[in-house]
Amino acid sequence: DTAVSQTPKYLVTQMGNDKSIKCEQNLGHDTMYWYKQDSKKFLKIMFSYNNKELIINETVPNRFSPKSPDKAHLNLHINSLELGDSAVYFCASSQTSGRASEQYFGPGTRLTVT
Amino acid sequence: AQSVAQPEDQVNVAEGNPLTVKCTYSVSGNPYLFWYVQYPNRGLQFLLKYITGDNLVKGSYGFEAEFNKSQTSFHLKKPSALVSDSALYFCAVRDSSGGGADGLTFGKGTHLIIQP
Repeated sequence: DTAVSQTPKYLVTQMGNDKSIKCEQNLGHDTMYWYKQDSKKFLKIMFSYNNKELIINETVPNRFSPKSPDKAHLNLHINSLELGDSAVYFCASSQTSGRASEQYFGPGTRLTVT
Repeated sequence: AQSVAQPEDQVNVAEGNPLTVKCTYSVSGNPYLFWYVQYPNRGLQFLLKYITGDNLVKGSYGFEAEFNKSQTSFHLKKPSALVSDSALYFCAVRDSSGGGADGLTFGKGTHLIIQP
């Protein structure tokens, strides 16, 4: 069974469109995350979310928004897509009862904006 | 603010030789340190972590890492490299203090290439 899954794996779209990436975890974790990996493989946290709070990296444009229908899902919505949004987006989850908990990552979604 | 430095973009090692991938960190409090590996077109896989206690931490696939507080380092090591160890390795840090569900801060990654 896949612990953290993302759909779609690949997403090609045009500038100005709105798109969503879905993420699901079956680990029973209470916290989920979205990371962006750019073309140089640099990873940066975008959002952290549990049922108590949403932490947003201040550098993330407000065109990006996380939506969590329940504890097992954290979807990423992107409005008015731009060329610079092209990247690989990773979802992750962990149990935040301890800050030492490791995070488990999904396989990634490669977004290409043309 | 916390940060991680991986000074080497690439490390080349002959198969069977020991390997070291370097990582240094900066946090205001005590660090929680992690190593992850990324194979091509795959997500990140957790290798090992340091929380507290013994400075030598053992993890998956024969990897280990040594925490050195005075040098603020957490280098990844393996006694005998395999060709299948070739991948992109990330060091990450999280400050042990603070509340909430903040994410990890990653280094820029080090490409490890094991030559047959």
